[in-house]
Amino acid sequence: AQTVTQSQPEMSVQEAETVTLSCTYDTSESDYYLFWYKQPPSRQMILVIRQEAYKQQNATENRFSVNFQKAAKSFSLKISDSQLGDAAMYFCAYRSGNAGNMLTFGGGTRLMVKP
Amino acid sequence: NAGVTQTPKFRILKIGQSMTLQCTQDMNHNYMYWYRQDPGMGLKLIYYSVGAGITDKGEVPNGYNVSRSTTEDFPLRLELAAPSQTSVYFCASNGDTYNSPLHFGNGTRLTVT
Repeated sequence: AQTVTQSQPEMSVQEAETVTLSCTYDTSESDYYLFWYKQPPSRQMILVIRQEAYKQQNATENRFSVNFQKAAKSFSLKISDSQLGDAAMYFCAYRSGNAGNMLTFGGGTRLMVKP
Repeated sequence: NAGVTQTPKFRILKIGQSMTLQCTQDMNHNYMYWYRQDPGMGLKLIYYSVGAGITDKGEVPNGYNVSRSTTEDFPLRLELAAPSQTSVYFCASNGDTYNSPLHFGNGTRLTVT
């Protein structure tokens, strides 16, 4: 079974600065998809960004980008120009390309943004 | 679009009681899921369904049951509630393509005392 590990339970960043959240995963598959979800205090789960494993180019969505290192099985999230509204729990998630559509989630990283 | 709708938002149960968490989606998604999120933790898959009439166990199915009689609805049944089932429950759905993201409901906070 695949596992997803987020080694940073908590991170903090100064407003307007850049922060990187780490995620590693364990898989023997070559075809899979990776996601980052944000969960603010409202509890809502919000998709931040996604990456297909077959794509070498790192995904980017406005201030959010990923550093996808397939050989290292690493999928970190970079948040640039951090804003107070970025404060939330962030979850990394893995989906197999071969065995159903369910996501396996990491344990999460709580991001605090200091004004 | 309503997306994924879960009810209720909050519920307190006594040990041994039963209840059903309702989930409905209006996106015609075949894939639906129930996750639980314990405090400070990630999401763990309870049950999932790949279409009407088809369900399967996830990582933590004990103490729960599901049914999928229609594409839209995927209720989660708790029988004989236990304190270990105190958690936040999320229903989610996604389309058929592998890069289709999960659409989540807003969650149900359940406390068993």
